[in-house]
Amino acid sequence: TQLLEQSPQFLSIQEGENLTVYCNSSSVFSSLQWYRQEPGEGPVLLVTVVTGGEVKKLKRLTFQFGDARKDSSLHITAAQPGDTGLYLCAGLRGATNKLIFGTGTLLAVQP
Amino acid sequence: DAGVIQSPRHEVTEMGQEVTLRCKPISGHNSLFWYRQTMMRGLELLIYFNNNVPIDDSGMPEDRFSAKMPNASFSTLKIQPSEPRDSAVYFCASSLLNDRGRQYFGPGTRLTVL
Repeated sequence: TQLLEQSPQFLSIQEGENLTVYCNSSSVFSSLQWYRQEPGEGPVLLVTVVTGGEVKKLKRLTFQFGDARKDSSLHITAAQPGDTGLYLCAGLRGATNKLIFGTGTLLAVQP
Repeated sequence: DAGVIQSPRHEVTEMGQEVTLRCKPISGHNSLFWYRQTMMRGLELLIYFNNNVPIDDSGMPEDRFSAKMPNASFSTLKIQPSEPRDSAVYFCASSLLNDRGRQYFGPGTRLTVL
């Protein structure tokens, strides 16, 4: 059973377009991370959200944690080819420090 | 500051051979995680350690896989004997306990078993 479902799985867009990636679960998380992974490299931590309803911005990227802390979204404004990569959400539950990773969204931004 | 260091970056071996993957976590971090990534299964947690002690090894595929963390600055993942289905990218990540789950990944080891 996959606890964190991401949508869409694949996304190919043109430079300058906006997009939103969703990360959904029926479980509550104490915190949620977003990572970006480029080909041949390990995932890189982008942001951590902790409070229900929290919004964080990282340049053109906007991250939101759902009010009930069960879901999250990542919105990219005016996408650029450098945004290309695999986006992974990951949630922390309970007293463990083991992350539950989402299914991933592969984004390709065409110049 | 040095990030998580993994070696080797690439490993090609023949079926039946022993493979050892190495990881040096970020200095001061007290949790270490081993993951495997494939196109079919995505990123899977194999095992993790807190303060050098294995906490959860439920993701280790079978007895052919073993992991050790003899000290706070070094861990190994060993596969013996290796099989073609073990071909994947293996990542090591480290974190601080009670840091809201923030993990920092190494560059990975791409393993190919022929």
